[in-house]
Amino acid sequence: ETGVTQSPTHLIKTRGQQVTLRCSSQSGHNTVSWYQQALGQGPQFIFQYYREEENGRGNFPPRFSGLQFPNYSSELNVNALELDDSALYLCASSSRQWSGNTDTQYFGPGTRLTVL
Amino acid sequence: SQQGEEDPQALSIQEGENATMNCSYKTSINNLQWYRQNSGRGLVHLILIRSNEREKHSGRLRVTLDTSKKSSSLLITASRAADTASYFCATDAWAGGSARQLTFGSGTQLTVLP
Repeated sequence: ETGVTQSPTHLIKTRGQQVTLRCSSQSGHNTVSWYQQALGQGPQFIFQYYREEENGRGNFPPRFSGLQFPNYSSELNVNALELDDSALYLCASSSRQWSGNTDTQYFGPGTRLTVL
Repeated sequence: SQQGEEDPQALSIQEGENATMNCSYKTSINNLQWYRQNSGRGLVHLILIRSNEREKHSGRLRVTLDTSKKSSSLLITASRAADTASYFCATDAWAGGSARQLTFGSGTQLTVLP
C-alpha cells in the first residue's frame, strides 16, 4: 500500500457530462500528478500540482482541469465528457525537494471512468 | 505520446526461470523507473535508476541503464507466479515549467506459469 487513496473506485457517466475525481496524497508529500491510462496502454501525464498551482501539463485539452488543496489532496475535473475519456485515472504523489527533484512517484489504485 | 517502449510486449515463462524486459527511450532523462501493475490496478514502484548509474539491484530485481543507447533492462530472477503482471518503464524528465513528469511505455505483460 502506498498511502495514496482515490475516490470513487468506479464511475459511469454519459457523454457531455462533467466528472470530479479525488486523490489524497501520501503523508509528507507536496506534489500530485494525474495520469490517464487507456486500456492496453501505459499511463499518460495529464498535469502536476505543487503548492496548489498547476506547474506542468501534458497534451490534454483545457476541459481537463484540477485543483490542489492546502492539505495537498487534489481533484481532477473533466468537462464535456467524450467517449475517448473512458480510462483508468491515476494520481501519484511525491515530495519535491529544494533542488526541484521529485524522484519516486507513488500511485493510488485509480478510478475507472466509463463514458457511455 | 509514449517515450519508453518495452520489448517484448508479452512474455510467458515457467516458475523459477528468469524474465528479462527491455525498454528504449528517445530523449534525455533525469532517471528511469520501473513499475508493476496488476490487472488494471494502481502502479507499484519497483526500482529507480539515475542517469549517472549503470546498474542497480533490489532483491530479485536487477536493472541496467545505458544512456548512450537510451535503453534499460529489467531482470527478474527466480520468477514466481505472483510476478505475473504488466511491467512498465517510465522516464523522468522535465515537463516544462518546474514539473517533472513520468513518460511511460506501453508495457510488457509477464505471465509466470506454475
